[in-house]
Formats: sequence, structure tokens, C-alpha cells
Amino acid sequence: GAVVSQHPSRVICKSGTSVKIECRSLDFQATTMFWYRQFPKQSLMLMATSNEGSKATYEQGVEKDKFLINHASLTLSTLTVTSAHPEDSSFYICSATDRGGQPQHFGDGTRLSIL
Amino acid sequence: QKEVEQDPGPLSVPEGAIVSLNCTYSNSAFQYFMWYRQYSRKGPELLMYTYSSGNKEDGRFTAQVDKSSKYISLFIRDSQPSDSATYLCAMTSWGGSSASKIIFGSGTRLSIRP
Repeated sequence: GAVVSQHPSRVICKSGTSVKIECRSLDFQATTMFWYRQFPKQSLMLMATSNEGSKATYEQGVEKDKFLINHASLTLSTLTVTSAHPEDSSFYICSATDRGGQPQHFGDGTRLSIL
Repeated sequence: QKEVEQDPGPLSVPEGAIVSLNCTYSNSAFQYFMWYRQYSRKGPELLMYTYSSGNKEDGRFTAQVDKSSKYISLFIRDSQPSDSATYLCAMTSWGGSSASKIIFGSGTRLSIRP
């Protein structure tokens, strides 16, 4: 089946640091990638939708200057949390879909802890 | 009213039991229906997806969609301790060749007792 790899799986860093998370589709071309955030015991909240070669579309309330998304190729999207603060600590998950549109396949997530 | 409603549980059943997980939705534009399984500290894993009303079976799992009632279900037969996880229903409207935003239920925490 479709495989999406997310790296790193765990990040612990100091407040003010910028953190980059990578999302790769390993066996298909991901025309669209999605970035989600999940707090403990809650469902996934969509942050942004990213189409290859285009600017990302952010959901209401998500700061695009805070969460920089790049989708420069059909197999790689990156999320950079700039100047991270403790309130940015969360579980970040990406998903990818090919030209057919559905379904989305998810990475294993990145647990981000800002001290 | 939320677009997708899902009982958060937790739901605890003995090994071997049949499990029924359910979601209701309000948006009649939803066309694709999915069930994901999420283990602790992992990303969601796609279990089933379906486009039409009716039943779809895959091994011990059966997904059921009733568009007229805006109600979907996931049945797990012969449940195993390894099925213990959070199950998320998800749905989306049809976006043609472009991917459409998925709306997730809140997830049901399931525990299978040995």
C-alpha cells in the first residue's frame, strides 16, 4: 500500500528555535499534501493544504508566517515551525494523496516538544 | 452542530466480541467515507474507504454507509487485543481530480480485553 514517511518522529528543542519537519511519499506521486495538528485525546485538526508547486492554503486561525510550508516536488513537503514556543508543542501529522484525490495516506507523525 | 459526530468512548469489549463503531454526519455533500485506526503516538492508518451506500467487507472489518440516514458504521468481527486503538471516521465531498479536505470524527477509543 501507499507509504508516507515523516521525519523526525520526535523533536525536543528550546523556545525560539525553528523546527523543520519533512513528509515524503515513498511509492506514489503526491500532488497534494496536508498538514495536521493533534492534541492529546483529540482528533486531527487540518492546518494547511499544499499542492505541488503552489502556495499552501491555510485554515482559518493558522498563522502562515509561523508555519511555513513548502511542497517543491511530488514526493516531498516540509513544515517549518518558526520561532517555536511551548504552546506550539503538539503532534504534527502529514498526509498525502495522488492525482486520484482520495484516500489520504498518513505519516507516523512528529511529536514536537518546546521547552 | 458538528459536521461529523462520533461517540468518543472509551469502549471496552472482551476478545472475540463483535464491535460496532458509528458516526453521523450532517453535510449531504459528503461522498467519500473512510475509517482510520490510530495507535498511540502514531499516525492514522487507513482501514476502509467507500464511495457508495451499502456494505464493504475486508477480512474482519465491514464498513457500512447509509447516505439516506447520514450514518456510517464500522464492524469488527472476532475482535483481538491488537485491535485496541482509536478509530476515526472521516469523510469528504468529491473534489474531482483535486484532493478535498477531510472532516474527521473525534475518534472512539476501543479496548479489547484478553
